[in-house]
Amino acid sequence: DQQVKQNSPSLSVQEGRISILNCDYTNSMFDYFLWYKKYPAEGPTFLISISSIKDKNEDGRFTVFLNKSAKHLSLHIVPSQPGDSAVYFCAASRGNNYGQNFVFGPGTRLSVLP
Amino acid sequence: NAGVTQTPKFQVLKTGQSMTLQCAQDMNHNSMYWYRQDPGMGLRLIYYSASEGTTDKGEVPNGYNVSRLNKREFSLRLESAAPSQTSVYFCASSPSLNTGELFFGEGSRLTVL
Repeated sequence: DQQVKQNSPSLSVQEGRISILNCDYTNSMFDYFLWYKKYPAEGPTFLISISSIKDKNEDGRFTVFLNKSAKHLSLHIVPSQPGDSAVYFCAASRGNNYGQNFVFGPGTRLSVLP
Repeated sequence: NAGVTQTPKFQVLKTGQSMTLQCAQDMNHNSMYWYRQDPGMGLRLIYYSASEGTTDKGEVPNGYNVSRLNKREFSLRLESAAPSQTSVYFCASSPSLNTGELFFGEGSRLTVL
């Protein structure tokens, strides 16, 4: 049973519009969340993170929102650009030793259309 | 600035053959990890090394062994490959276990026939 779910395998958005990628988790002990971006034939690269003491974190065009009561987080990309086309992974962890506890979602493929 | 380097990038094996995936990082990180990625699933942790000289099992360790050769290098060995081990393997590193962000290599695509 997947503890971290990304229920949309793919998403298409027009350039300049907002992209919203969703992630749901089942383990209420998770207290640290990250988003990674992955281009074909490359490894995932870190995008943005949020800890459970916050409900929002912003970095340029990227904002992550955390709703702990709903066990839901989302990544907003505004405005979307063709270079944002990639697979986005949500990951969650708990405790102090995050590295050994990360659980990754299956990913959402974002296509930004020019 | 190479970051995390994995070799080989592609490999085809027959069932029962053995092979080693190599990983090296040049960021002076203490912690290193091996993940596998299968279609429709998230990355799953095979083994990790919190620091030089230590290794521990992750979520899916069966059929694999690892060696933390030194601070830079962390290898993954398949002693007797099985078709279920067909996957894309990613090595990653981080400054320590509790710094959060992982730095990944480009991946190694392994096919076992």
